[in-house]
Amino acid sequence: DAGVTQSPTHLIKTRGQQVTLRCSPKSGHDTVSWYQQALGQGPQFIFQYYEEEERQRGNFPDRFSGHQFPNYSSELNVNALLLGDSALYLCASSLQGGGEKLFFGSGTQLSVL
Amino acid sequence: GDSVTQMEGPVTLSEEAFLTINCTYTATGYPSLFWYVQYPGEGLQLLLKATKADDKGSNKGFEATYRKETTSFHLEKGSVQVSDSAVYFCALASYEAGSYQLTFGKGTKLSVIP
Repeated sequence: DAGVTQSPTHLIKTRGQQVTLRCSPKSGHDTVSWYQQALGQGPQFIFQYYEEEERQRGNFPDRFSGHQFPNYSSELNVNALLLGDSALYLCASSLQGGGEKLFFGSGTQLSVL
Repeated sequence: GDSVTQMEGPVTLSEEAFLTINCTYTATGYPSLFWYVQYPGEGLQLLLKATKADDKGSNKGFEATYRKETTSFHLEKGSVQVSDSAVYFCALASYEAGSYQLTFGKGTKLSVIP
């Protein structure tokens, strides 16, 4: 049973560019959450998707957007990249109604130069 | 809003030493509390959890007790091993709009030396 998979594992972009990160949830999970983990910090909640809609959003600007597909996989898009967007982006999947248990992927390390 | 404060590291211990990592929280209501561990180059793994006051979560020799009166959830292990070297995150779960989200502390890096 595959866990949460994310791609790519590493990515280098320059300021002003756009980036798309991808996540496939654990089998049987229908909810995907995205977190940003800056160097030396704890993960911060970006948003959560369920039934192809954004259910909750953290304190992130509109440059951060997402999408969930009918197969429950998800994308995180970041436009107009800033140096401060450099971070590890973590995807977590869960089952709606299944409580607070989240399963995390290994993340995508984004470097903005 | 909700917040988690945990002791800052890094923490360096000798093998078989006793470990305590302090964690306190601020939240409305009675959230579930968690400890996650992150090994180098990997994502987060749930280490243990507690869902109500006085609950004790335990796993792999680690323990933490949900203390409502002190709003704390300190992580302890009686005898650490080199393989325990990792970053440890305390977190709480808040329930909004029909779903849960986690609020994390900044993490505490533990290094265990032989």
